[in-house]
Amino acid sequence: GNSVTQMEGPVTLSEEAFLTINCTYTATGYPSLFWYVQYPGEGLQLLLKATKADDKGSNKGFEATYRKETTSFHLEKGSVQVSDSAVYFCALRAAGNKLTFGGGTRVLVKP
Amino acid sequence: EAGVVQSPRYKIIEKKQPVAFWCNPISGHNTLYWYLQNLGQGPELLIRYENEEAVDDSQLPKDRFSAERLKGVDSTLKIQPAELGDSAVYLCASSLGGADREGGQFFGPGTRLTVL
Repeated sequence: GNSVTQMEGPVTLSEEAFLTINCTYTATGYPSLFWYVQYPGEGLQLLLKATKADDKGSNKGFEATYRKETTSFHLEKGSVQVSDSAVYFCALRAAGNKLTFGGGTRVLVKP
Repeated sequence: EAGVVQSPRYKIIEKKQPVAFWCNPISGHNTLYWYLQNLGQGPELLIRYENEEAVDDSQLPKDRFSAERLKGVDSTLKIQPAELGDSAVYLCASSLGGADREGGQFFGPGTRLTVL
C-alpha cells in the first residue's frame, strides 16, 4: 500500500536558520505530493504541492521538489521565522483522491 | 469566503456515551472527507463522500461509527458507543472533486474528543 515517511521531530532552530524536513514515499503509479502545515490551534493548511516528477512546489519561501528517482519530496526554507513554528505533514494522493499522510514533524523556531 | 466549519471544537464524554460531530464544507465543494488524527500522528481517512454518496468508507469502524451527508452539503459523524481509544481529533475536509483532481483538500479546525 501507499505510505509516507518523514523525519521525526521536534526540530528546533534559531531564527534565520535553514530548514529541511525529509519526506520519502512509497506508492503505486504516479502520485501527487503535498506539504500541509498545522499551526497551533488551527486546521491543516495546504502549503505547496507537486503533481509530477521534477515539479517544484513553492509557497511562503518554502520549496519542495518531486524526485521520482529517490521517491522523495523534501521541504526546505532558507531562512525561517518564529511564525514558521508549526507541525508539517507530507502527504501523497494516489488513485481515488485519497490522501495518505506522514506522521508530521514539529518545528520550533526560537528568536 | 468561509472555510470548512466544524462543531463542536471540543467534546468530553464518558465511555459508552454517544457523540456526534458536524461539518459544513466550503460552498460548492462536492467532496467531503472525515479524518481521524491521533496525537502525534498524521490524519487517517475514515470516509469520503462525493455529493451524498459514500464512495470510500473502508476505514470506518462500522460497528460503532456512522456518517451521513443527506443533502450532499453538511455532514454528521457519529460514534455510539464511544470507547476510551476514540479520544482523538476528528477532522473534516472538503474539495471540489470531480475533474479537479489536482486541487487541494481544505481542512476544518477539527473536533477534539476526550473519552473518560
